[in-house]
Amino acid sequence: DAGITQSPRHKVTETGTPVTLRCHQTENHRYMYWYRQDPGHGLRLIHYSYGVKDTDKGEVSDGYSVSRSKTEDFLLTLESATSSQTSVYFCAISQDRGDGYTFGSGTRLTVV
Amino acid sequence: GQQVMQIPQYQHVQEGEDFTTYCNSSTTLSNIQWYKQRPGGHPVFLIQLVKSGEVKKQKRLTFQFGEAKKNSSLHITATQTTDVGTYFCAGNSGTYKYIFGTGTRLKVLA
Repeated sequence: DAGITQSPRHKVTETGTPVTLRCHQTENHRYMYWYRQDPGHGLRLIHYSYGVKDTDKGEVSDGYSVSRSKTEDFLLTLESATSSQTSVYFCAISQDRGDGYTFGSGTRLTVV
Repeated sequence: GQQVMQIPQYQHVQEGEDFTTYCNSSTTLSNIQWYKQRPGGHPVFLIQLVKSGEVKKQKRLTFQFGEAKKNSSLHITATQTTDVGTYFCAGNSGTYKYIFGTGTRLKVLA
């Protein structure tokens, strides 16, 4: 969907390095989410935001932090990447908390 | 915490056969959503169910929400090769957070 973009699309990084993934939306939606997708686990919520500078933890938040300084941008940071954080990361947006999500195309992250 | 389970994990069907995936929550849900993810793609929102016992249809897809609002199903009639993908349910217990099921991967054999 053109209204939400993730960058980078692919990244390979070394264990112990910091990594930041970016989610950018042009829909002016209030809610933004970061999920990770792993085989056998489906989609698991890492962090979410319900407004600028308003964020909260999801199911699997350990090792991750987020920031949202503008409505359109939601950043996910891995402070010190580990091999267990190798995954596909999806950003999602929604207008209201009960609405269906629009997902970005994902970022495939490999930690070696 | 809330858990959402889906069965089956995989399903292979011949083109033209029907397909059903089931979603069960450990807690009562406010609403449930269904998504489809094509191979290599991202999840795409299909529908949301809110009312107890609700049934909604989208062409060959029929979605049901259980009377107790703890389970849901997606039924596809006469599958086509374009139905290939993974189907996820996502349940909300009244918070900002949707918990996704593990998904059912559908393969349609022509």
